[in-house]
Amino acid sequence: DGGITQSPKYLFRKEGQNVTLSCEQNLNHDAMYWYRQDPGQGLRLIYYSQIVNDFQKGDIAEGYSVSREKKESFPLTVTSAQKNPTAFYLCASSSNSGPLTLTGELFFGEGSRLTVL
Amino acid sequence: QQPVQSPQAVILREGEDAVINCSSSKALYSVHWYRQKHGEAPVFLMILLKGGEQKGHDKISASFNEKKQQSSLYLTASQLSYSGTYFCGTEEGNQFYFGTGTSLTVIP
Repeated sequence: DGGITQSPKYLFRKEGQNVTLSCEQNLNHDAMYWYRQDPGQGLRLIYYSQIVNDFQKGDIAEGYSVSREKKESFPLTVTSAQKNPTAFYLCASSSNSGPLTLTGELFFGEGSRLTVL
Repeated sequence: QQPVQSPQAVILREGEDAVINCSSSKALYSVHWYRQKHGEAPVFLMILLKGGEQKGHDKISASFNEKKQQSSLYLTASQLSYSGTYFCGTEEGNQFYFGTGTSLTVIP
């Protein structure tokens, strides 16, 4: 079955440590996105990538880094520079790299919940 | 940039109706609607591409007023399964922005 796989589902980290969240899709989608969600709040865009080896900052990119070496993979690293990293992280993809209008929807993974101790 | 939704939260009894509004300060070319259950990923409900367009499936429908830069989601005869947080979403350039969210709780 096609879809998006995020791992790990739960992650605990000590302050000062970097951590990498995995996002893999087998939908053959060009565009991939990372969102952060805090309790009771909406989704905020961290980074997005329209094609391999290219990515753009979203509204809250500070303290995060990404790579897009393969079409299927878009890992997110939460660095020690991120002041408040405890949150629910969602990866999504869409089938074209331009506006979403032509294809409709974003497909989401099940999310990774990061807690900093 | 982030669309504003109203109300922020609503509690309904089974069978009651609800309307969720989504407003943007910028021109809207399309509006998406998603529902998120607690602890889960958002799930796509529908997209509206044209001003004046209305869509629906089951008892959930939506309208899009391009001129007013608004969209509304209508839930009719609500069911317990409708509970969750509803988000609208809009495109700006190559970015996709979600609205502030509306928490909807349906009680027996």
